[in-house]
This record gives sequence, structure tokens and C-alpha cells, in this order.
Amino acid sequence: AQKITQTQPGMFVQEKEAVTLDCTYDTSDQSYGLFWYKQPSSGEMIFLIYQGSYDEQNATEGRYSLNFQKARKSANLVISASQLGDSAMYFCAMREGFGAGGTSYGKLTFGQGTILTVHP
Amino acid sequence: EPEVTQTPSHQVTQMGQEVILRCVPISNHLYFYWYRQILGQKVEFLVSFYNNEISEKSEIFDDQFSVERPDGSNFTLKIRSTKLEDSAMYFCASGSGSLNEKLFFGSGTQLSVL
Repeated sequence: AQKITQTQPGMFVQEKEAVTLDCTYDTSDQSYGLFWYKQPSSGEMIFLIYQGSYDEQNATEGRYSLNFQKARKSANLVISASQLGDSAMYFCAMREGFGAGGTSYGKLTFGQGTILTVHP
Repeated sequence: EPEVTQTPSHQVTQMGQEVILRCVPISNHLYFYWYRQILGQKVEFLVSFYNNEISEKSEIFDDQFSVERPDGSNFTLKIRSTKLEDSAMYFCASGSGSLNEKLFFGSGTQLSVL
């Protein structure tokens, strides 16, 4: 089974509008972390935002916020006031079982990614 | 912000040749990783390295692959007898081992096997 699922291969948004990129995850661990990375056409991986499984508040970082619904195992990324420079591939990732007797050794498991295109 | 450095940025090789991809992780990090991304696809975990040994590896990381930390700074991925399907972007990453800390990724090495 996929540990991280991003069901939207591509999304389009108008500049200055908000957009939500979906991510669902599968884990039996109680302690885990969820991450979003942005990959522009240049290829580098840029960290955007982190949500811990025990965090009660949704994470926010500037125009990025994470809509964390633990019971639904979803961690959607919300980008407000989209900019042309937001056009990129976005990856959701999970770190599980680490630091609590787990064996993942801190690795991240990535979803398939969503290509976001911002139109002027 | 500290950086993970990867060299070369592009590598072209003939099928069957050996390649070594190099990485300089962030100096105080303890955990090192290699990931692979075939064009347009997701980022796939290859291997993690801790305390001078492989701590975890994926099914992709078969006998063709090896990793090494030859000195206190470099972390290398060796691919023996490259195949066409090894063509991909290879990312090195490092982390301190904290659950809530991001992994720092290098800019990647684009490997093309002809």
C-alpha cells in the first residue's frame, strides 16, 4: 500500500487565488512527521512546511499552511495568494517511527507529487 | 543556511561503466541519505547511512549500488555497471536525526546513461 498518496497529478490556479494540494498518508505509528517540499523546474528540493503528529495546531509558514486532519490521515497544503513563482512540483512526505524505537532512521517517504501551474 | 553539496551536477556515462556520485553533507549531521528521481516521477528512497554503516536500504538498492563515507566530510554513491534505467536525478540528503526536522537536500546529480 502507498504510504503517501497525492491524487492530483496537476492543478491549475489563478494568480492571487488560494489552492489546496491534497495528501493522504498511511501509518500505524503514533509518532510521525509530515512534510511538504517544492521542486521547481530547476530541480532542487525546497522545504516548505512541517506538521508533527502530536501538534494540535495546523502548521503555518507565511503563505503556506497545512490542513492536518489526523482522523482522516490527511495533510493538505494550502497556498494562499498564489504567485507565478509558485508554479512547480509539490511533494508531500512522511517520516515515521523515528526516535521512538522505530527503524525508519529518519528517511522521508514521498508521494507522487502534484504539478501546480499558476496562471496570470 | 547550511547546504548539502553534490558533485557533479550532471554526469553522462556509457552503459556498463561505473560512476561515483559525491556529496558533502552538513557537517554536524549524523544521518545521510540517497534518493533517486526518474524524470517526472516521485522521489524514491535508496539508502540511509548512520554511524558509518548502512542503516536501511530499499529494494532498488541492490548489489549494483554501494555507499561510502571515505573521510569525515564526503558521502559517495557508487553505481557499478550502469544500466539505461539508472538514468535519473540522484539526491543526497542529510539530517540531524530529529523527528521534526526537515532533511536538507543537495541540488542533485543528473545521471544520464547512454
